[in-house]
Amino acid sequence: AQRVTQPEKLLSVFKGAPVELKCNYSYSGSPELFWYVQYSRQRLQLLLRHISRESIKGFTADLNKGETSFHLKKPFAQEEDSAMYYCALKAGSYQLTFGKGTKLSVIP
Amino acid sequence: NAGVTQTPKFQVLKTGQSMTLQCAQDMNHEYMSWYRQDPGMGLRLIHYSVGAGITDQGEVPNGYNVSRSTTEDFPLRLLSAAPSQTSVYFCASSYSLRGYEQYFGPGTRLTVT
Repeated sequence: AQRVTQPEKLLSVFKGAPVELKCNYSYSGSPELFWYVQYSRQRLQLLLRHISRESIKGFTADLNKGETSFHLKKPFAQEEDSAMYYCALKAGSYQLTFGKGTKLSVIP
Repeated sequence: NAGVTQTPKFQVLKTGQSMTLQCAQDMNHEYMSWYRQDPGMGLRLIHYSVGAGITDQGEVPNGYNVSRSTTEDFPLRLLSAAPSQTSVYFCASSYSLRGYEQYFGPGTRLTVT
């Protein structure tokens, strides 16, 4: 069965500092990986997915199949980045499997 | 488009009571699902549906029932509420099971006393 691990429940960084939210997965096939974000009092929304290889709001994530990781990175954190971040895996035609989430707090 | 809507936003139940959480989407999505969000547990799939008349269990289905009589609606029923069902419930939809983006509703915060 597939599994997504986000080792940090809470990550606090200062404004302007680099951010890395870790995500590791276990799945024997070729997965699709996603990052979802939930800002305060807002609904969960898709931030980015590995296939698109794009940068959204300054965030990027690279799928590393060797290390089975999909870490989310941003070079300079902003206060508006404070939110709950979920890594999610889609294995074939199965449903999304979410990690437990990491709460990012950017300190002014 | 309203997207995914959920009612009610908040609900307090007593142990043993039953209720239905409503979910609707106006995007003509085939795939709909229900998750519960608990602190430290992330989002866990309760039930899902790949189309009208077709439903299946997710990771934590016990104590919940679903039905899908129309493409638009996917209600979640709590048969006999228990304190362990205190949670925030999210409904989501996507174009298909293979669709990559799920659109989430605003959530229903349920407290069972």
